[in-house]
Amino acid sequence: GAGVSQTPSNKVTEKGKYVELRCDPISGHTALYWYRQSLGQGPEFLIYFQGTGAADDSGLPNDRFFAVRPEGSVSTLKIQRTERGDSAVYLCASSLQAGGPSYEQYFGPGTRLTVT
Amino acid sequence: SQQGEEDPQALSIQEGENATMNCSYKTSINNLQWYRQNSGRGLVHLILIRSNEREKHSGRLRVTLDTSKKSSSLLITASRAADTASYFCATALNQGGKLIFGQGTELSVKP
Repeated sequence: GAGVSQTPSNKVTEKGKYVELRCDPISGHTALYWYRQSLGQGPEFLIYFQGTGAADDSGLPNDRFFAVRPEGSVSTLKIQRTERGDSAVYLCASSLQAGGPSYEQYFGPGTRLTVT
Repeated sequence: SQQGEEDPQALSIQEGENATMNCSYKTSINNLQWYRQNSGRGLVHLILIRSNEREKHSGRLRVTLDTSKKSSSLLITASRAADTASYFCATALNQGGKLIFGQGTELSVKP
């Protein structure tokens, strides 16, 4: 596709439920990043992948959050036992490579998660 | 935690005026980037400045970086109503890898 796509665009779930958020990066981009953004704040880093492996998962807030990228393209962010504090816009970005001259990250439109 | 602090938090100007936004950060960086965000959704990359650079231009944008003060500024000249958005600085501690964003400046340009 032309850009990073994320599905769903909006997700409303009940406290305690499990959710999956999907990210399709730009074709050929080897690095993929997840951030989340609360209202009025800047994006907060969660995890990034170089290829299939998680190169840095230091931003995941706790073990309820998990992300995979099994084939080095699409990634899924999984949140177990959702809490109201998980409500935010989850942003995905990709870049041509994580370590090299092309640092620019291209962001998707985000998934707005609301936990009721 | 956020690395960057941005100033001002909100800025309102008239079309044609210049807009200046500032960003301060805490640790040594590899590069600093500025992004624009409309309507609280996707971010658009504007410009990247490396730690060994002091100034960079792109169209109506001018970015400066002072590593001794750990600060950067973004200047938008001859602003337009379409420039209305939130602007974020983001620092990269290493080549590539994660970005650490500031809290942003909300710019409003009135026609």
